[in-house]
Amino acid sequence: EAAVTQSPRSKVAVTGGKVTLSCHQTNNHDYMYWYRQDTGHGLRLIHYSYVADSTEKGDIPDGYKASRPSQENFSLILELASLSQTAVYFCASSDRTKNTEVFFGKGTRLTVV
Amino acid sequence: AQKVTQTQTSISVVEKTTVTMDCVYETRDSSYFLFWYKQTASGEIVFLIRQDSYKKENATVGHYSLNFQKPKSSIGLIITATQIEDSAVYFCAMREGQAGNTGKLIFGLGTTLQVQP
Repeated sequence: EAAVTQSPRSKVAVTGGKVTLSCHQTNNHDYMYWYRQDTGHGLRLIHYSYVADSTEKGDIPDGYKASRPSQENFSLILELASLSQTAVYFCASSDRTKNTEVFFGKGTRLTVV
Repeated sequence: AQKVTQTQTSISVVEKTTVTMDCVYETRDSSYFLFWYKQTASGEIVFLIRQDSYKKENATVGHYSLNFQKPKSSIGLIITATQIEDSAVYFCAMREGQAGNTGKLIFGLGTTLQVQP
C-alpha cells in the first residue's frame, strides 16, 4: 500500500510568520505534488516535482516555495504566511507512468491568524 | 486549456439505489487519463477508478463503474447499490498523457453525495 505522510496534520500560524509543511513518501515515486483545498475551489496545484532537487510551479504558486531534497521528501514553504493561505494542504505522489493513480496524504489543516 | 467540470454540486439518494455523477473535461491531448476520487468525512482522498482514453471498454471496480463517452468528453461515475458509507465528496480528475512531463492531475470541484436510509 502506497504511503504518503504529511506533518504536521494541523497548524496555527501567525500572519507574517514562516511555515513549513513536510511530506514523506515511501513509494519510490518520481512525482510529488502539493495541492491546496478551499471550499468551493476543489483541489488546486501549487507546486510539483518529478525529480529530486527540482521543483516546478503549478497553477497557484504565488506566496509558496517548494523544496525536494530527496526522492522521498517534498516540502511546502510559506515564507510570509497570510490570512488567505488558510486552507487544507494535500501532498501527493505518483509513479512516472501517467495512467497510474496519484496517492494522497491525509492533509494538513493550516490556519493563519 | 485543460479543464474538468462537475456540474452537480450535491446529490441525495436513498440507500441501495443507483446514482450517476457527471463529469465533462476539456483537453487538446489525444491521450489522457481520467480518474475518480472520493473524499471521506475525515478528509482522506481515496482513488476509486480510472479510465484510459484509448480504451473503449468502460472501467468497473466493485460497485463503481464508468460511463465513458469520448465524443462528448464525458466520464460519468455510476455507483450501484449505494450504501450509507458511500456518502462523501466525489472528485473527477484528468491527467494528460503527452503535454509536457508534469503528470499533474486537474480536478473538478466535486459532487457531494448523501445516501439516506
